Amino acid sequence: KAGVTQTPRYLIKTRGQQVTLSCSPISGHRSVSWYQQTPGQGLQFLFEYFSETQRNKGNFPGRFSGRQFSNSRSEMNVSTLELGDSALYLCASSFGLEETQYFGPGTRLLVL
Amino acid sequence: EDQVTQSPEALRLQEGESSSLNCSYTVSGLRGLFWYRQDPGKGPEFLFTLYSAGEEKEKERLKATLTKKESFLHITAPKPEDSATYLCAVQANAGNNRKLIWGLGTSLAVNP
Repeated sequence: KAGVTQTPRYLIKTRGQQVTLSCSPISGHRSVSWYQQTPGQGLQFLFEYFSETQRNKGNFPGRFSGRQFSNSRSEMNVSTLELGDSALYLCASSFGLEETQYFGPGTRLLVL
Repeated sequence: EDQVTQSPEALRLQEGESSSLNCSYTVSGLRGLFWYRQDPGKGPEFLFTLYSAGEEKEKERLKATLTKKESFLHITAPKPEDSATYLCAVQANAGNNRKLIWGLGTSLAVNP
């Protein structure tokens, strides 16, 4: 069974631009969560979607948004990029809201 | 307040030198405890899920145990390829939503 895939793997943007990241979950998984990871900060939860509905949201500004499609694929968008948004963005999928999460390889975003 | 603390922050071992990593937690209603391994620049790789005190799981040189207050990840006769950051996450009781609290990880280096 194929794992979680994320595209693109690497991205360079400049301040003020916006970016969209994509995540395809493991087949059959209906929950997708997004995390931001920076050195020393650990995994910071962004939001979780289940059956196209946002079920939970972390403590991030409104510039960070996401959505989930009927095939469970998910996208996250960051508008008006700031230097501090440079990070590894991870997507994780699970069958249900209490099941084990499986992570994708991540998208490395660099904001200049 | 729900909290997960991992110790030590960093650990350096000689090849073959067994040791344990600790994950202590304070949560309202444990629904599960997860161990992941993360290599630099990659997404976390799932290792174990533990659900109740007394439970143990093993995989190759790794063994995870769980008590009512903490979990240990025992590494027996480690090899250099076991070098990675080990992350612990605890799922707390949150009704119909997921409430996952992450530790900051233990960075393990195994010298040949």
